[in-house]
Amino acid sequence: AQSVTQPDIHITVSEGASLELRCNYSYGATPYLFWYVQSPGQGLQLLLKYFSGDTLVQGIKGFEAEFKRSQSSFNLRKPSVHWSDAAEYFCAVGASYSNYQLIWGAGTKLIIKP
Amino acid sequence: DAGVIQSPRHEVTEMGQEVTLRCKPISGHNSLFWYRQTMMRGLELLIYFNNNVPIDDSGMPEDRFSAKMPNASFSTLKIQPSEPRDSAVYFCASRSGQGGNEQFFGPGTRLTVL
Repeated sequence: AQSVTQPDIHITVSEGASLELRCNYSYGATPYLFWYVQSPGQGLQLLLKYFSGDTLVQGIKGFEAEFKRSQSSFNLRKPSVHWSDAAEYFCAVGASYSNYQLIWGAGTKLIIKP
Repeated sequence: DAGVIQSPRHEVTEMGQEVTLRCKPISGHNSLFWYRQTMMRGLELLIYFNNNVPIDDSGMPEDRFSAKMPNASFSTLKIQPSEPRDSAVYFCASRSGQGGNEQFFGPGTRLTVL
């Protein structure tokens, strides 16, 4: 069965430091991959997505993610975090045979230290 | 574009009462998703509509939950009777076309059942 794992429930990073959030998936074919962000009290907003092509994907707010097929990973990165990046981040996988209904990771809460 | 609109934003009700949550998807989107988010269970897909037709309702917890989409611009999620364990944030999301396009989320309805 397909699954998405975000191994870190919480991550604390100092403002200005780099960030990497991990996402691993289990899926038999090339998946469609998404990262969403949820600020407190808000809905989810798409940061970036990967369908095919270049495995390094650029998103909004200075985020990027790299698809590594050999590692079944789609990790999210940002070179320098800002206090406004404090939020919860969700990785999701779309499966073609289910019309791309998304399978969601449990989320990683990012805490920014001043 | 106004985005996905949900109402009410907050709902407090007593156990046993009927609750109706409303969603207006983005104009032109033909897929609609209802999700529930709790601390314990994370983000769960309840039901998915395509062209106003329910495609997958396997996530609906029990018969107390029902969802309708009478037209392309409106959907409801009803809980009758409500129970305290239904307390959660309920999100509606919409998507255009087929395939792996992104889902756009509404701001959510925070439901508290006393």
